[in-house]
Amino acid sequence: DTEVTQTPKHLVMGMTNKKSLKCEQHMGHRAMYWYKQKAKKPPELMFVYSYEKLSINESVPSRFSPECPNSSLLNLHLHALQPEDSALYLCASSQDPTGPSFSGNTIYFGEGSWLTVV
Amino acid sequence: GENVEQHPSTLSVQEGDSAVIKCTYSDSASNYFPWYKQELGKRPQLIIDIRSNVGEKKDQRIAVTLNKTAKHFSLHITETQPEDSAVYFCAALLGLTFGKGTDLINQP
Repeated sequence: DTEVTQTPKHLVMGMTNKKSLKCEQHMGHRAMYWYKQKAKKPPELMFVYSYEKLSINESVPSRFSPECPNSSLLNLHLHALQPEDSALYLCASSQDPTGPSFSGNTIYFGEGSWLTVV
Repeated sequence: GENVEQHPSTLSVQEGDSAVIKCTYSDSASNYFPWYKQELGKRPQLIIDIRSNVGEKKDQRIAVTLNKTAKHFSLHITETQPEDSAVYFCAALLGLTFGKGTDLINQP
C-alpha cells in the first residue's frame, strides 16, 4: 500500500474561518511533509516532520499551523488565511530521513486538498 | 541551499519523437535525483529516480542520466505518446527541492 490519504479534497473558506486539512499514511513512514502548489508551479515545501517532531519550517506564516498527532497522521490547521493562500496543498511521506545511510528516497504524495480562500 | 534549474519550461513534440528534459543542481552533496510526472489536476507521481553511484537508469521508454561532475541530470522519453503529456518535475537535495517544471505537450 503506497497510499497517502488527504481530506477534504476541496475546501472553500472565508478569511475569518478556522479549518483543518488532514493527512494519513499507513506505510510506516517516519517523515511527513506539507507542500503548497500553485497551478503549473513546482510544489513548495512548507513543513517536514521527522519522527513526529517538526524538523523543517520553511518560514511559513503562522496562519498555517501543522500538527503531527502520531506517526500516521498529519494535520494542517488554517486560520485567517488570505486569498493568495488559495492553492493545492499536498501531503507526502517518506521513509526514515535520519538514518546514517540516508541519501534521499521516494516521496509519496497524497492527491491533495484544493483550497479556495474567499 | 540547493538550487535546481530545469529546462525547457515547455516542450512540444510530435507523437513518436523523443523528448529530453535537463536539470542542473548546485549542491555537490546532493546524491538522489527523482523525476515526477504530474497530470492536470492530479498529484505528482514518481516515474524514475537515480542515485549518484550510477550514471544511467532505464525503465521501458524512460531513462535518466546523471553527470555528477557537471552537476546535471536529464530525463529521456522515447517514442512519446499522447499520455506522456503532463508537467515533469526534477528534484534534488534528498528529493525535497523541485525544479520549476517542464510542460510536455505531445501532438498527435
